[in-house]
Amino acid sequence: EVRLVESGGGLVQPGGSLRLSCAASGFSFDDYAMHWVRQAPGKGLEWVSTINWNGVSIDFADSVKGRFTLSRDNTKNSLYLQMNSLRAEDTAFYYCAKDINSNYAQHTFDFWGQGTLVTVSS
Amino acid sequence: DIVMSQSPDSLAVSLGERATINCKSSQTILYNSQNYLAWYQHKPGQPPNLLIHWASTRESGVPDRFSGSGSGTDFTLTISSLQAEDVAVYYCQQYYSTPTFGQGTKVEI
Repeated sequence: EVRLVESGGGLVQPGGSLRLSCAASGFSFDDYAMHWVRQAPGKGLEWVSTINWNGVSIDFADSVKGRFTLSRDNTKNSLYLQMNSLRAEDTAFYYCAKDINSNYAQHTFDFWGQGTLVTVSS
Repeated sequence: DIVMSQSPDSLAVSLGERATINCKSSQTILYNSQNYLAWYQHKPGQPPNLLIHWASTRESGVPDRFSGSGSGTDFTLTISSLQAEDVAVYYCQQYYSTPTFGQGTKVEI
């Protein structure tokens, strides 16, 4: 059974930093691209970032580019989102999601974690 | 970025009746005979659930009352006979380029 478990969310002041983690199990983690998707309160879904299977190719939404970094440790089946210079508009549930395709990053999300809430407020 | 627009924003459907959600992309998402479009169901307190990708390919385990159609820039998600457990927000998403989602359509009974 595929499981994705996010952690690291919480309350942070504007300008602060947080590191989200996603622990994966139940599939060959190092075969798949992984993603972060967020949902602000009362809003829709927004893709945040993607990392390919070996961490060489990483993409970010323009809204977080230059502030967020993404990495993975395939030996630990884990994904990490480092969020710096946080803004109020970054407040959201952050979901870790697995790509459906083992050959390339299709950007179709077939399994999602339960999400972790990040609140940016003074 | 490609803008995805869904209609309506919400709809109320009686149990057993058909629900139809439309999704329009700001440019074509058709390439090599494939439409780069997915549909997700999102229930409160749960993560989103992939229903359909490639515009019409139903995910394993998704009931066959859910179907996707369309091509190019205009797409439709149809729930042929609405069940109580289908109450949710539905999103379309394109993956032709930088992924973007529609604003969501809330389906109620």
